[in-house]
Amino acid sequence: NAGVMQNPRHLVRRRGQEARLRCSPMKGHSHVYWYRQLPEEGLKFMVYLQKENIIDESGMPKERFSAEFPKEGPSILRIQQVVRGDSAAYFCASSPPSGLRELFFGEGSRLTVL
Amino acid sequence: DAKTTQPTSMDCAEGRAANLPCNHSTISGNEYVYWYRQIHSQGPQYIIHGLKNNETNEMASLIITEDRKSSTLILPHATLRDTAVYYCIVRVPSNDYKLSFGAGTTVTVRA
Repeated sequence: NAGVMQNPRHLVRRRGQEARLRCSPMKGHSHVYWYRQLPEEGLKFMVYLQKENIIDESGMPKERFSAEFPKEGPSILRIQQVVRGDSAAYFCASSPPSGLRELFFGEGSRLTVL
Repeated sequence: DAKTTQPTSMDCAEGRAANLPCNHSTISGNEYVYWYRQIHSQGPQYIIHGLKNNETNEMASLIITEDRKSSTLILPHATLRDTAVYYCIVRVPSNDYKLSFGAGTTVTVRA
């Protein structure tokens, strides 16, 4: 049973470019969460999605960041017009649809903005 | 959400038990205690959670005091692969996905 798959593992972008990070949840999991870990800091919640729905985006920056989890395919975290402060590790987690949530995290995508 | 306090770091000898304390004196009656760990450059890994009874699984044991103001995570036989940052997190079930990872305890297992 494959775990949460994230790609790319490493992404380098220049300021002003777009970054797209993808996350495939574990089989049978319908809930996806994105977290960000800035250098030397703890992980911070960004957004919680179910298929075709954003449930809680209270941790998302107001501009340039968006997330989706389409009916088919992986969840996408999109960062437009990246700035150096966006350099971080972005972790995706998934959980089954019911019960107390034990979040299973992926290995993360490390974004470096030059 | 209740605040947690953990020691910054601790060392443990390989093969010995590692006891990781966590204080959560302001915990509410419906808040659970979760433990996660993050091995360097990897995603966080769920370890265990509990409400008021002691819990055990294949990875660890969780001992929660009767007044629920503190808890201890026990790794029964620490290995070098257990070297990681361990996070004690208190959450209510309704938004337990909003894990707040503080500084945690950096555990170093030494041979």
